[in-house]
Amino acid sequence: EVQLVESGGDLVHPGGSLRLSCAASGFAFRDFEMNWVRQAPGKGLEWISFISSGGSTIYYADSVRGRFTVSRDNARNSLFLQMNSLRAGDTAVYYCASGYSSKWIDYWGQGTLVTVSS
Amino acid sequence: SYELTQPPSVSVSPGQTASITCSGDRLWNKYVSWHQQRPGQPPVLVIYQDYKRPSGIPERFSGSNSGNTATLTISETQTFDEADYYCQAWDSSMVFGGGTKLAVL
Repeated sequence: EVQLVESGGDLVHPGGSLRLSCAASGFAFRDFEMNWVRQAPGKGLEWISFISSGGSTIYYADSVRGRFTVSRDNARNSLFLQMNSLRAGDTAVYYCASGYSSKWIDYWGQGTLVTVSS
Repeated sequence: SYELTQPPSVSVSPGQTASITCSGDRLWNKYVSWHQQRPGQPPVLVIYQDYKRPSGIPERFSGSNSGNTATLTISETQTFDEADYYCQAWDSSMVFGGGTKLAVL
């Protein structure tokens, strides 16, 4: 059974940093592309980052480029998102999501809540 | 940046067919997927590559993509199908539509 389990969400002050993790199991993690997608309270889905299976190709949404950094450790079946210079507008549930192709998402994690507030 | 447009809401009677559209420039040229999200739950993939169903998704769910519009069709709609539905495509980055709330009344 495919499982994606996010962790690291927390309440953080504006300007602060946070590191999210996603533990993958039940599939060949090293063969899959990975994404981070967020959802602000009561809003729709917003894609924020992509990393290829080998980690050599990375994309970011304009809203987070320069502040967020995605990485992965295929030996540990883990995906990460380092978030710096956090703003109130970054408040959202952050989902880790996998895809055998870069073109779509096959599986979603349960999400982890990040709240940016003073 | 590329945009996908969905109607905010669609209503359907139980047992009838619901159609949810997703519009984008030259969308026919891209693979479209659809994700279902029930309240308080993470999304679930229901259609990928325009019309393919993942294992475990009922045959009542079908998809098409032609011209500038992709369509998710749910036949014999049940109250269990009430959810938000998001279309998604790739155009130099991943893009989601704004979502459509399906009400089964």
